[in-house]
Amino acid sequence: DQQVKQNSPSLSVQEGRISILNCDYTNSMFDYFLWYKKYPAEGPTFLISISSIKDKNEDGRFTVFLNKSAKHLSLHIVPSQPGDSAVYFCAARTRQGGSEKLVFGKGTKLTVNP
Amino acid sequence: DAEITQSPRHKITETGRQVTLACHQTWNHNNMFWYRQDLGHGLRLIHYSYGVQDTNKGEVSDGYSVSRSNTEDLPLTLESAASSQTSVYFCASSESRGLGTDTQYFGPGTRLTVL
Repeated sequence: DQQVKQNSPSLSVQEGRISILNCDYTNSMFDYFLWYKKYPAEGPTFLISISSIKDKNEDGRFTVFLNKSAKHLSLHIVPSQPGDSAVYFCAARTRQGGSEKLVFGKGTKLTVNP
Repeated sequence: DAEITQSPRHKITETGRQVTLACHQTWNHNNMFWYRQDLGHGLRLIHYSYGVQDTNKGEVSDGYSVSRSNTEDLPLTLESAASSQTSVYFCASSESRGLGTDTQYFGPGTRLTVL
């Protein structure tokens, strides 16, 4: 039962254009969402997050949008740069029985072409 | 600079052997986590700890154990390695209990192959 879904395994965009990475979730108890970026042979690095009480969070070229009614979030990168080429993981926080965990999607590989 | 390290970076072992993967962080973070990354599965939580002597099972804990005797280290042990445990393993740490508000910092990963 996959609670966090990234249905696009890969995405290719031209440098300077917008990259939109999507993520869907099924658990309405998730209260916080995060995006991580991962380069080959490195650990994931935190990119941006959003609380479930908000619908938008912006940090420089990166904006995350949350649509709670649709259980959908997206990461926008504008403008895209070749250095943004990486695997992007969507993650959601759940609190159950006093413990807190992150549930990750399978990732989307973004390629930004010069 | 504070960091999180994992060792070894690559390990090849045989089925049935005990294997321990090391994770060491110098941020003095209370929380530490172990994940595995497999094609088609993303990152899945194996075990986690909120402090010394505290350990908890994650989503895929069978066949793994951890111990937390100090703040800096959370070693992951595969009691009897199986081919299904061939994977890339990531350790992470964060400062306090609120995962959503506290960034998890990941180590560089350990690629484990079980033959």
